[in-house]
Amino acid sequence: DAGVIQSPRHEVTEMGQEVTLRCKPISGHNSLFWYRQTMMRGLELLIYFNNNVPIDDSGMPEDRFSAKMPNASFSTLKIQPSEPRDSAVYFCASSGAAGFHEQYFGPGTRLTVT
Amino acid sequence: GEDVEQSLFLSVREGDSSVINCTYTDSSSTYLYWYKQEPGAGLQLLTYIFSNMDMKQDQRLTVLLNKKDKHLSLRIADTQTGDSAIYFCAEKRGAGNMLTFGGGTRLMVKP
Repeated sequence: DAGVIQSPRHEVTEMGQEVTLRCKPISGHNSLFWYRQTMMRGLELLIYFNNNVPIDDSGMPEDRFSAKMPNASFSTLKIQPSEPRDSAVYFCASSGAAGFHEQYFGPGTRLTVT
Repeated sequence: GEDVEQSLFLSVREGDSSVINCTYTDSSSTYLYWYKQEPGAGLQLLTYIFSNMDMKQDQRLTVLLNKKDKHLSLRIADTQTGDSAIYFCAEKRGAGNMLTFGGGTRLMVKP
């Protein structure tokens, strides 16, 4: 299996621009998670989908952030407009059905907003 | 404060054993995990332990769980320079798939 795939691996953009991060979970997994990692705040859960439905988005920082999962094999995290404080590494992770609880992480997208 | 706490930093010499500690607060935790993050990479699952177990051993890794004290530890035997990374503990509560992560312990292995 290819594992969790994220794109792009690196993104540099200017403040005010729209940023879209993409994730392909492991085939057959039905839960998908978006995390953000910074030195100051560590690893934060942003949003969690189960069977393509958002279950908990309490970690989404503000309305500038939105996430979608149109089907079982694709999810996006969008930031519009982006700000320098959004600079971080964004990870996507997936896990399987009940009884298969381990989360598998993608390589992350390093976002720099100037 | 955080629900899962870890010390920030640990330094050991190559060949020694490393012990990374973690405390958690929720007694309903069902599974507890250790993840490893190497520079520039995502988190990699190392091992996990079910809450009704006291110990789990996997090659050089030994996980100890003290449910009474809500304390989890990861022992790495014969620590190698390739073990240098950040180690995260995490807990799973209830039936959902969400995990709560600690802040990570940076392990530095000196040759």
